[in-house]
Amino acid sequence: GDSVTQMEGPVTLSEEAFLTINCTYTATGYPSLFWYVQYPGEGLQLLLKATKADDKGSNKGFEATYRKETTSFHLEKGSVQVSDSAVYFCALSSRPQGGSEKLVFGKGTKLTVNP
Amino acid sequence: DGGITQSPKYLFRKEGQNVTLSCEQNLNHDAMYWYRQDPGQGLRLIYYSQIVNDFQKGDIAEGYSVSREKKESFPLTVTSAQKNPTAFYLCASSADFYSYNEQFFGPGTRLTVL
Repeated sequence: GDSVTQMEGPVTLSEEAFLTINCTYTATGYPSLFWYVQYPGEGLQLLLKATKADDKGSNKGFEATYRKETTSFHLEKGSVQVSDSAVYFCALSSRPQGGSEKLVFGKGTKLTVNP
Repeated sequence: DGGITQSPKYLFRKEGQNVTLSCEQNLNHDAMYWYRQDPGQGLRLIYYSQIVNDFQKGDIAEGYSVSREKKESFPLTVTSAQKNPTAFYLCASSADFYSYNEQFFGPGTRLTVL
């Protein structure tokens, strides 16, 4: 079935450092791709999305580009802040044969940013 | 403010007891979802409902039950048949099932079985 693989965490950075969180996927067809963020003690929030190859999703300084050739959707931010500390989930929209559409999530990557 | 509320935030249960987790939304969304989150794992879909009075099993429905009698409410019951119920439970909604990939999440309920 469809799946998402994220880099293992936790990731610890200093403020203003560059962030990359790797995400690769396996899917039939052409899924949409998402990054969700979960701040401590809260539910998930949609951070950004891309619906087709070469699309770039961006929000709050975060970016990710849908790369069909490498089946990847890596999350990047040029300068992280302490307030970016959270767990980040990569996800794809799955349309399995004989089943209903659903979101498939990666395991999450915990990011801690130190001042 | 529109949003999703889940209660309680923390819940403790003795083995063999059923327990019901509340989920309410005032976003006027048709579709609602229940997920389970375990440490170091992604979210797994338990049940979903596309519309009032309808619901479908997700990937890990065994030991759980739901109802959808009102549009704004989608309670989840964790039954004694669920062998390992200790987890973080998240409720979500989307405008309709065709918008399933843009879901809004509640703050979650952490269930601990004693």
